Amino acid sequence: SAVISQKPSRDICQRGTSLTIQCQVDSQVTMMFWYRQQPGQSLTLIATANQGSEATYESGFVIDKFPISRPNLTFSTLTVSNLSPEDSSIYLCSAGGARGEQFFGPGTRLTVL
Amino acid sequence: AQSVSQHNHHVILSEAASLELGCNYSYGGTVNLFWYVQYPGQHLQLLLKYFSGDPLVKGIKGFEAEFIKSKFSFNLRKPSVQWSDTAEYFCAVKGGMDSSYKLIFGSGTRLLVRP
Repeated sequence: SAVISQKPSRDICQRGTSLTIQCQVDSQVTMMFWYRQQPGQSLTLIATANQGSEATYESGFVIDKFPISRPNLTFSTLTVSNLSPEDSSIYLCSAGGARGEQFFGPGTRLTVL
Repeated sequence: AQSVSQHNHHVILSEAASLELGCNYSYGGTVNLFWYVQYPGQHLQLLLKYFSGDPLVKGIKGFEAEFIKSKFSFNLRKPSVQWSDTAEYFCAVKGGMDSSYKLIFGSGTRLLVRP
């Protein structure tokens, strides 16, 4: 298993600003992912963070709005840009391997005013 | 496209009752299957997983799940629930031949266990 930490755990931001979320894994992992979880709802995959190359985005998510970095095998960042109240959500980082098993971080609760 | 259905969105049980949460997926090939649990205020935790072999898999805290290939199902069971099992449960699927490694999650089932 892997232990995932995220910073910040929560933040309140003004519309039009950006928030960068950091995700740190305690061991080298093949895959890292970013999800969004609206209150009371399931997880929606935003993108797969690829080490050394551009992230792979899911339908409905674009790089300009959700730029992602993954400089090495244990760290990734997700930026949520040009914030609007609709971006208020919990953002989750996960790490996993080829069989699909994923381990999740505690999440970042974002509120946009 | 792959999808996962969890038909029970809310389940309310009394302590010691038996639990079965349904999960059906749509994918014709080899699959890897997972159940995750999210306790109130906590992060997602892996409850159990199925890759291959015995279709009855046992997880943590007395949970088990049975993979029935002919029914495309992976239902979660527990013989006797406790108040501490109150949580949201998510079924997830990864297509075995899917090189993207991503999971498809169901919509979740919110379980409330009354003492």
